[in-house]
Amino acid sequence: KAGVTQTPRYLIKTRGQQVTLSCSPISGHRSVSWYQQTPGQGLQFLFEYFSETQRNKGNFPGRFSGRQFSNSRSEMNVSTLELGDSALYLCATSQGGAYNEQFFGPGTRLTVL
Amino acid sequence: GENVEQHPSTLSVQEGDSAVIKCTYSDSASNYFPWYKQELGKRPQLIIDIRSNVGEKKDQRIAVTLNKTAKHFSLHITETQPEDSAVYFCAAPDQAGTALIFGKGTTLSVSS
Repeated sequence: KAGVTQTPRYLIKTRGQQVTLSCSPISGHRSVSWYQQTPGQGLQFLFEYFSETQRNKGNFPGRFSGRQFSNSRSEMNVSTLELGDSALYLCATSQGGAYNEQFFGPGTRLTVL
Repeated sequence: GENVEQHPSTLSVQEGDSAVIKCTYSDSASNYFPWYKQELGKRPQLIIDIRSNVGEKKDQRIAVTLNKTAKHFSLHITETQPEDSAVYFCAAPDQAGTALIFGKGTTLSVSS
């Protein structure tokens, strides 16, 4: 079984720009969660999608958004980038949600200059 | 919502020693507690989990204990080896069961 993939792996943007990150889950996984990882803050939950519906959203500003397609692939978008958005963005996929093992992708390293 | 606190943030041990990482959670309804390990430059991976119908679970050198009354759970690693060096995260689902809330992580360093 192919693992979780994320593209791109690295991004460099400037303040004010927007960015779109993509996550392709393991076949059969319908839940996709997104996390922001920064040193000292651990893994902060952004949102979770299941069957194209956002079921949960973390405490992040509205500049952070996402969606899920019918093939379970998910994208997240960050608009009007700020320096503080520099982080590793990880997606995690599972069969059903938080009570199932989460399989993480390799992450997208976003640097905002 | 669910809040997970993890201690210590860093832990240094000698090879062969034991290591213990503790987490507390806020939602008394929580009943699933996984632990993830993230090696340097790699993605987090599940190493062990426990559900609230048991108080302890072991897998070779790793064990997790759960105290529902006190709302805390712990990861125990015995006979530590250099390859155990990593960041360890505890977690618990939120009330909706759709978000896994992580602690801030413990950086474990095992020196030989």
